[in-house]
Amino acid sequence: DVKVTQSSRYLVKRTGEKVFLECVQDMDHENMFWYRQDPGLGLRLIYFSYDVKMKEKGDIPEGYSVSREKKERFSLILESASTNQTSMYLCASSGPHRDRHTFGSGTRLTVV
Amino acid sequence: AQTVTQSQPEMSVQEAETVTLSCTYDTSESNYYLFWYKQPPSRQMILVIRQEAYKQQNATENRFSVNFQKAAKSFSLKISDSQLGDTAMYFCAFLRGSTGANSKLTFGKGITLSVRP
Repeated sequence: DVKVTQSSRYLVKRTGEKVFLECVQDMDHENMFWYRQDPGLGLRLIYFSYDVKMKEKGDIPEGYSVSREKKERFSLILESASTNQTSMYLCASSGPHRDRHTFGSGTRLTVV
Repeated sequence: AQTVTQSQPEMSVQEAETVTLSCTYDTSESNYYLFWYKQPPSRQMILVIRQEAYKQQNATENRFSVNFQKAAKSFSLKISDSQLGDTAMYFCAFLRGSTGANSKLTFGKGITLSVRP
């Protein structure tokens, strides 16, 4: 069964820490995405990547960066975590069939 | 830019009854896809149904069907014979039909559906 795997289901970090959220897909998909999910706001796109080492800003990139050194892995980086980055983070990927997105099961990040 | 609006934050339905979830969108594109995703408490986003804009026929998947009104930019989801397992958050989403780097989904704010026994 094809999968998008997020390394942590729950994460608690301190303000100012550098945080890495990892996402790995096993479908050889070109496109990978990081979304942030907040109550009443739905899912908002942070960054996406359509190829190795390629990235584009989404709707809310401030405070985040990403890395895609290998096709299967897409990392979201919080350079200096802040309490307003407490949220659910969802990773997704899509391949040749662009309309078929596969999602990870999310990382609930709490910044204290 | 595309926008997706889900104006109802919550709905409740009795088991075995029918419920309709509303969604409107705004776009200048002529070629696009529309989706309904389900997110149960497990947090796994599950595709419920998809509609290609150039197809006039409304998509159906078992108990789930859509009413796609392209001119009105409306895309509602009907769930028939509601089951307890349908309790979840439901998101309406839009995808541009063009290729290249425009493969990102635009989501609505979601609606929480509760099915009562």
